[in-house]
Amino acid sequence: GAVVSQHPSWVICKSGTSVKIECRSLDFQATTMFWYRQFPKQSLMLMATSNEGSKATYEQGVEKDKFLINHASLTLSTLTVTSAHPEDSSFYICSARDIDSNTEEQFFGPGTRLTVL
Amino acid sequence: GENVEQHPSTLSVQEGDSAVIKCTYSDSASNYFPWYKQELGKRPQLIIDIRSNVGEKKDQRIAVTLNKTAKHFSLHITETQPEDSAVYFCAASFYGNNRLAFGKGNQVVVIP
Repeated sequence: GAVVSQHPSWVICKSGTSVKIECRSLDFQATTMFWYRQFPKQSLMLMATSNEGSKATYEQGVEKDKFLINHASLTLSTLTVTSAHPEDSSFYICSARDIDSNTEEQFFGPGTRLTVL
Repeated sequence: GENVEQHPSTLSVQEGDSAVIKCTYSDSASNYFPWYKQELGKRPQLIIDIRSNVGEKKDQRIAVTLNKTAKHFSLHITETQPEDSAVYFCAASFYGNNRLAFGKGNQVVVIP
């Protein structure tokens, strides 16, 4: 089946630093990937849609300059949390759709747990 | 945007009984409705999905029903087993595209 990986699986950083999270589709190509944030015991909130070769589309209330998204290839999207603060601590999950599939299923990565001290 | 509401928030069932989770959505253009199961600290796993041109879909012990007129859809789990214990999220595509809006989740506890 389709596999999506994320790296790192967890990261602890100091306030004010930037953190980059990678999302890779391992056995399929994805023109579109999605980034979600999930706080403890809460739902997944869509942050942005990452489009290969073009700018990401951000959801209302998500700061573009704080959450930088790059989708440079059909198998890799990155999310950079810039100048991270404790309130950015969360579980970040990506998902991807197979461009060759006729279904709408999104395959999720294992998530990255970010803790900002 | 799309607003998905999910009820109840917690559901406890005896092993072997059925569990039903209901969701409502607001965007009449939504055409894809997946259900995900998430265990603590892990990724969401798709368990079943349904498109708007279908009223019901079944996969072994799991079924989903969709009422487009009322804008609600439900997950049915029959013959529940302890391994069914998890958080279940419903979702709906919005603006007629691939973006998903998720419900708040439902903690299902199957009591052995």
